[in-house]
Amino acid sequence: NAGVTQTPKFQVLKTGQSMTLQCAQDMNHNSMYWYRQDPGMGLRLIYYSASEGTTDKGEVPNGYNVSRLNKREFSLRLESAAPSQTSVYFCASGHRDSLYGYTFGSGTRLTVV
Amino acid sequence: GEDVEQSLFLSVREGDSSVINCTYTDSSSTYLYWYKQEPGAGLQLLTYIFSNMDMKQDQRLTVLLNKKDKHLSLRIADTQTGDSAIYFCAESMNTDKLIFGTGTRLQVFP
Repeated sequence: NAGVTQTPKFQVLKTGQSMTLQCAQDMNHNSMYWYRQDPGMGLRLIYYSASEGTTDKGEVPNGYNVSRLNKREFSLRLESAAPSQTSVYFCASGHRDSLYGYTFGSGTRLTVV
Repeated sequence: GEDVEQSLFLSVREGDSSVINCTYTDSSSTYLYWYKQEPGAGLQLLTYIFSNMDMKQDQRLTVLLNKKDKHLSLRIADTQTGDSAIYFCAESMNTDKLIFGTGTRLQVFP
C-alpha cells in the first residue's frame, strides 16, 4: 500500500546514545517533514525538506540532524539523546499547498532514560 | 508568529453535535485542514477548506471559515463514540510548511 513508512515504531535510549529514525514514502512527493508530538503542545516541526537535496530548520531543530537521502527517504538523527527528546516522532510527506495535505507515518515512540 | 490555537479538551454526549474551534495567524494560507488522530496512530486528513470558501460540508462534517477573524471550526453532527480522538487544525503557510494547532481531545460519552 502506498504511504509513509517509519522505523522503528518504539525505541528506548540511554542519555548520550545516538540513533537514526528512518522514513520512506512511495507517493513521489517532493516535500518531507519530521514532527515531534508532546502532550498539550501539538505537533512541532523539527526539520523539513522541500525537495531532494534541500533541508531547512523548523521550529525545534536543536539536537537533531536530517538527511534527504533521495526523493523517497528522509532520516532524522539524534547524535546525543537527552531526556527532553522523549516524544513521539512523525514523518510526513506531501506537496505544497495541496488539497490532500500531508500523509503521515504511524510514528516512532522514543523514550530517553 | 506561527501560532495555531485550539482548546485542549471537549466532552460531548453521544448523538449531540461537537464543535471544535481553531484560530490561525497566516492570512495567506491557501488551504486549512482538519486532521484526526486516533489513539496510538498517526494523523489522518479528515477534511480541508480552500481559503476562498466560507463553508464546506462533507456528510456529518461542516467546516466554517471566517477569514476576517482567522477562525476555523469543525462541526461533527450526531457525534459517535468512534469520533473520540484528537483533532488538529493546520494551515499551509505561504512556504513549504504546514503548521499544526495544539490539538483538541474529543471525548464522547454515552
